[in-house]
Amino acid sequence: ETGVTQTPRHLVMGMTNKKSLKCEQHLGHNAMYWYKQSAKKPLELMFVYNFKEQTENNSVPSRFSPECPNSSHLFLHLHTLQPEDSALYLCASSQESRGTGELFFGEGSRLTVL
Amino acid sequence: GQSLEQPSEVTAVEGAIVQINCTYQTSGFYGLSWYQQHDGGAPTFLSYNALDGLEETGRFSSFLSRSDSYGYLLLQELQMKDSASYFCAVRDHSNYQLIWGAGTKLIIKP
Repeated sequence: ETGVTQTPRHLVMGMTNKKSLKCEQHLGHNAMYWYKQSAKKPLELMFVYNFKEQTENNSVPSRFSPECPNSSHLFLHLHTLQPEDSALYLCASSQESRGTGELFFGEGSRLTVL
Repeated sequence: GQSLEQPSEVTAVEGAIVQINCTYQTSGFYGLSWYQQHDGGAPTFLSYNALDGLEETGRFSSFLSRSDSYGYLLLQELQMKDSASYFCAVRDHSNYQLIWGAGTKLIIKP
């Protein structure tokens, strides 16, 4: 198993659909993250979870709803998205959220909103 | 505000040496990190500099000057597989989360 696994790799949805992105880490880490990556822009931090508790919500619209049932799994529930939400959504994990340790990323879920 | 600046694209020849610069403006500083991302792949950690100076890891080296708010990633003996985007990042002083540059696309020609 690779360290951080994301599914689906690609997702196309209409503006009225509801879908979810899934992330699983097999590294025994305590912190998990959602990032949004758009072309030629810095990675945008969306949410941070540390020991299953949300510690950061970077002013993300409510149409994005995270869920962290345990330290190994992270979901991003999507509802009534806009075309500008089309991007690569990256999940990452680290030993804990406030240290200087490296982040381990998944390969991302490429989202297209029609 | 807090920001990082790095060139959007750099082109080099296989076997050569290339330097990717990063300048930052932050209210506090906890170190400069570099990540590599191949097209369609996950960002992967390359290096972390907390103190001034050069850190070497194989063909890759990373440099930091805190007084100049500046760092660079040095890639030697370039190989085609080094074609990727390279991101610098520093930790936000308020919440310890990474603030990222927009990335530098490294194009390597034979």
